[in-house]
Amino acid sequence: GAVVSQHPSWVICKSGTSVKIECRSLDFQATTMFWYRQFPKQSLMLMATSNEGSKATYEQGVEKDKFLINHASLTLSTLTVTSAHPEDSSFYICSASPLATVSYEQYFGPGTRLTVT
Amino acid sequence: GENVEQHPSTLSVQEGDSAVIKCTYSDSASNYFPWYKQELGKRPQLIIDIRSNVGEKKDQRIAVTLNKTAKHFSLHITETQPEDSAVYFCAASLTGRRALTFGSGTRLQVQP
Repeated sequence: GAVVSQHPSWVICKSGTSVKIECRSLDFQATTMFWYRQFPKQSLMLMATSNEGSKATYEQGVEKDKFLINHASLTLSTLTVTSAHPEDSSFYICSASPLATVSYEQYFGPGTRLTVT
Repeated sequence: GENVEQHPSTLSVQEGDSAVIKCTYSDSASNYFPWYKQELGKRPQLIIDIRSNVGEKKDQRIAVTLNKTAKHFSLHITETQPEDSAVYFCAASLTGRRALTFGSGTRLQVQP
């Protein structure tokens, strides 16, 4: 149980275009999902907290107009990278915690590797 | 906000030896401390976690210790095996906020 999927697993896009990444909790509901970014050989950095039915909360330094987050249901959050540039190339990973649990454990998606040419 | 520091950045041990990775955190309101193992291009995998009301937790060859007063926690791997080679991350989350702040990572190499 507690499986999180992401789609696509990898994507190549041209500079200036937009890319949407989906994060789904397959067997549980989550009011909150998290989006992280990981550059090569670096750590995971929290970008934003995605809240079902309300606006996302962005970390300092993350442009909310560039990284659009929509949490339309209890099992789906999307991250859209708008007007992508080569410096946005990274590994994007989402995570979620089951709705009704006392556990703090988060379940991570497999990640999406974005390459902007 | 929370800041997590992790040391060492790289660690090379001989198979069968023990490995210790240390982390410190800045915010005393943090109450959950997981450790993740990440292989290249893969998602982080939880290997062990500890809550702030516990000082130590063990799971077979892996143990974590927490010192709340000093605000540091450590991962101990005994009888290391080549398949333990990976990047390990510590993390912390604040009470009431499940978002994780990660340490910078430790690349562990176990030499056969």
